Amino acid sequence: GNSVTQMEGPVTLSEEAFLTINCTYTATGYPSLFWYVQYPGEGLQLLLKATKADDKGSNKGFEATYRKETTSFHLEKGSVQVSDSAVYFCALGDNYGQNFVFGPGTRLSVLP
Amino acid sequence: GAVVSQHPSRVICKSGTSVKIECRSLDFQATTMFWYRQFPKQSLMLMATSNEGSKATYEQGVEKDKFLINHASLTLSTLTVTSAHPEDSSFYICSAQKTGGNTIYFGEGSWLTVV
Repeated sequence: GNSVTQMEGPVTLSEEAFLTINCTYTATGYPSLFWYVQYPGEGLQLLLKATKADDKGSNKGFEATYRKETTSFHLEKGSVQVSDSAVYFCALGDNYGQNFVFGPGTRLSVLP
Repeated sequence: GAVVSQHPSRVICKSGTSVKIECRSLDFQATTMFWYRQFPKQSLMLMATSNEGSKATYEQGVEKDKFLINHASLTLSTLTVTSAHPEDSSFYICSAQKTGGNTIYFGEGSWLTVV
C-alpha cells in the first residue's frame, strides 16, 4: 500500500538557517504530494502541493519538488523564521483530495 | 479561508466511559468528512470517511461499534469513542471536504486521554 516516510524530529534551527525536511513515499499510480503545517493550537493547513512529476510547489518561501525518480518530496526553505516553528506533515493523496496518507510529522523549532 | 473547528481540543475521561468529539465546518458545507488518529511518533492514520446522511466507511482494523461516527448535517460530524480504554488515548483530527470541491480543510485536533 501507499506510505510516506519523513525525517524524525525535532529539528531545531537558528533564525535565518537553511531548512530541509526529507520526505519519501511509496505509492501505486501517480498521487499528488502535499506538505501540511500545523501551528500550535491550530488545524493542519495546506502549505504547498505538487500534482505530477517535476512539479514544484511553493508558498511562503517554502519549496518542494515532486521527484518521481527518487520518490521524494523534500521540503526546503532558504531562511527560516521563528514564526515557522510548527509541525510539518508530508502526505500523498489522489487528485480528488481524498485517500490521504500522512507521514508522522516533523516538529521544527526555530530559535531567535 | 475555510475553517474547521473541533471540540473539545483536550479531554480526559475515565476508562469505560464514552466521549464525543465534534467536527464542524464553520463557513462551508461538507458532504464528506474524514476522521484520523495519530499515536505518538506514528503517522496520522485514516479511521473512517463519513458522508452526510449515510453510514460511515471504516478503514480496516477500526472497530465501527467502538468508534461511532455520525454525520447528520452538512456542517457537523461527530466521533464517539464508546467504552474508552487507556489504549484509545490518542490525537484525533478531522478534515472536511467542501461540497463540490476537492480541497480538504483540517480541524485543530483533539487530544483524548483515558485514565
